[in-house]
Amino acid sequence: DTAVSQTPKYLVTQMGNDKSIKCEQNLGHDTMYWYKQDSKKFLKIMFSYNNKELIINETVPNRFSPKSPDKAHLNLHINSLELGDSAVYFCASAGTGSWGMNTEAFFGQGTRLTVV
Amino acid sequence: RKEVEQDPGPFNVPEGATVAFNCTYSNSASQSFFWYRQDCRKEPKLLMSVYSSGNEDGRFTAQLNRASQYISLLIRDSKLSDSATYLCVDSRRDDKIIFGKGTRLHILP
Repeated sequence: DTAVSQTPKYLVTQMGNDKSIKCEQNLGHDTMYWYKQDSKKFLKIMFSYNNKELIINETVPNRFSPKSPDKAHLNLHINSLELGDSAVYFCASAGTGSWGMNTEAFFGQGTRLTVV
Repeated sequence: RKEVEQDPGPFNVPEGATVAFNCTYSNSASQSFFWYRQDCRKEPKLLMSVYSSGNEDGRFTAQLNRASQYISLLIRDSKLSDSATYLCVDSRRDDKIIFGKGTRLHILP
């Protein structure tokens, strides 16, 4: 069983379109994340949700809207796609260990988004 | 100062050699650190946690130096399969898990 699964794995779309990426985790974790990894391979945090509530929004354009229907799901909707949005998007989840610290994060396999 | 900084490399190391890389972090209140490994076009995967007292897992040793705010990873007897990008991670209490840009390691036959 895949712990963190995201779909689709590949997404090719034209500029201006709206697309969604779905993520689900079956680890019972409270916290879920979206990361963007660009062509320079830098893995940058975009959003963090804890128990369906937005905790972190790292100055991401408001064309990106995360939605968490329940704590096992965190989807990412992107409006008006731009060329610069081309990247690999990773979903991740983490639990809460001792002293309120996050346990390790588990990642989905990534969604390779190409905007043409 | 960036939140988590690493030398991007690449480190080109002959098979069997020992290699070490460091990572510095800016948040003095951070307490939880990890090393992740990322293979080309794959998701990052946990390599090991970093404990205050230092810890070892087979050929891998991780150390934390709070006074100087850095963590290190040592790989002994390196294998071809160790070729990857190694990511230093600061997992903070505010639910931010911050990744360094990664250090690329190439093990040469």
